[in-house]
Amino acid sequence: NAGVTQTPKFRILKIGQSMTLQCTQDMNHNYMYWYRQDPGMGLKLIYYSVGAGITDKGEVPNGYNVSRSTTEDFPLRLELAAPSQTSVYFCASRQQVGAFFGQGTRLTVV
Amino acid sequence: AQTVTQSQPEMSVQEAETVTLSCTYDTSESDYYLFWYKQPPSRQMILVIRQEAYKQQNATENRFSVNFQKAAKSFSLKISDSQLGDAAMYFCAYRSGQATDKLIFGTGTRLQVFP
Repeated sequence: NAGVTQTPKFRILKIGQSMTLQCTQDMNHNYMYWYRQDPGMGLKLIYYSVGAGITDKGEVPNGYNVSRSTTEDFPLRLELAAPSQTSVYFCASRQQVGAFFGQGTRLTVV
Repeated sequence: AQTVTQSQPEMSVQEAETVTLSCTYDTSESDYYLFWYKQPPSRQMILVIRQEAYKQQNATENRFSVNFQKAAKSFSLKISDSQLGDAAMYFCAYRSGQATDKLIFGTGTRLQVFP
C-alpha cells in the first residue's frame, strides 16, 4: 500500500516557468489537500478537495491552480513561478480523522 | 477563525528523560479534533497522536500522551523515555468536526534529544 505519492521530490524552476506537482493516493480517500511549508514555519493550506470534481481555496491559493478529475489524483499547477513560491509542498489525504501525508516536494524558484 | 499556537520554537531533552511540548488553540467550536504530527529530517509528516474534543480521557500511544485541557484550550504532548529517534519537528494541528474541514497547523517545536 503506497499511501500518498508525490512527484517530483526536488525541482528547480526559473522565474516565469510553469510546472505541475503530482499527487496520487491509493486509499480511496475523498479529502485531499495541498500545503506549503516555508522554512521554520508550519504548513499553510493552498487548496483542498472534498471529492472528485470539487475543489476549494485554502489560506494561500494565489499563484496556484488545482484539479480533481479522479479520486486518486490531485495535481497542483504553478503557472508563472515566482521566488516567493520557493517552499516545500506537501500533499495529504484523509477519509476519517487523521490525514496521511506524502513525502513532500522541495521547489526552488531562481 | 481558528488558530494554533506553539510557543516553544526549540526544546531539548536527554535520552530516557521526559519532555512536554506545549500547544494552545483558539476556537469557538465545540466539536473538533487535535493532533500532534512529527516531522523528522526526512520531511515525512507522521501522525503521532490524536484527541477528539468530546472525549474527556487523554489520548495515549505508547510513550506519547497528551494533556488535553478543553476549558483552557491547551493540548500538550508528553514524550516519556525519550529516544534519539524522537528528535524531529513536532507540529500541533486542529481540525473542525465538520467533515469537509481542513487541518490548521502551529509553527512547530524542534525537539533535540541528547545522549
